[in-house]
Amino acid sequence: DAGITQSPRHKVTETGTPVTLRCHQTENHRYMYWYRQDPGHGLRLIHYSYGVKDTDKGEVSDGYSVSRSKTEDFLLTLESATSSQTSVYFCAISDYRGRDTDTQYFGPGTRLTVL
Amino acid sequence: GDSVTQMEGPVTLSEEAFLTINCTYTATGYPSLFWYVQYPGEGLQLLLKATKADDKGSNKGFEATYRKETTSFHLEKGSVQVSDSAVYFCALRGNDYKLSFGAGTTVTVRA
Repeated sequence: DAGITQSPRHKVTETGTPVTLRCHQTENHRYMYWYRQDPGHGLRLIHYSYGVKDTDKGEVSDGYSVSRSKTEDFLLTLESATSSQTSVYFCAISDYRGRDTDTQYFGPGTRLTVL
Repeated sequence: GDSVTQMEGPVTLSEEAFLTINCTYTATGYPSLFWYVQYPGEGLQLLLKATKADDKGSNKGFEATYRKETTSFHLEKGSVQVSDSAVYFCALRGNDYKLSFGAGTTVTVRA
């Protein structure tokens, strides 16, 4: 199994508070991703990173920011949490260098509840 | 943009039954196609993949063939087990390094 951990695994917070989720990898993979999973929507990409300090937006980036200061860590921040951000958040990593290495590996997820 | 449509669930089967989950896609160029599986309480795991037309991906008794002419990548298994109960996601990677996922299909296999 790819070495990916997410913390915290569960969090309950209140509307308007800032929240930071952490993804940590031990695989030295270049690409890292944050997704959210909601019923009926599959997984939707929030933000991704293609290197240290190199990040870009996904399809549902509003209300989220990210940072990557080291290869192994990718942080997702909800600046002011809202109830619509209640979801399960997954981090993924990839060492994409062409179709033969074209696989994303997923972490165990963080269940976030915003009251 | 790129998109994936997979059959809606939930799907309930008896053990040893045949499973098919339909997946079709829209993409420019030549995408890579994937099936991921999510067991209860866990993250997603790659089940199989195909990177070019007519490729067949296979793993754990599951198979899927990349059909460019019908833009499809249907997942099949000839004899399911209770342990195959999970959510299955079809996904594609287009001309960049991002994945587009279908909505997922929940499969329950009963003994």
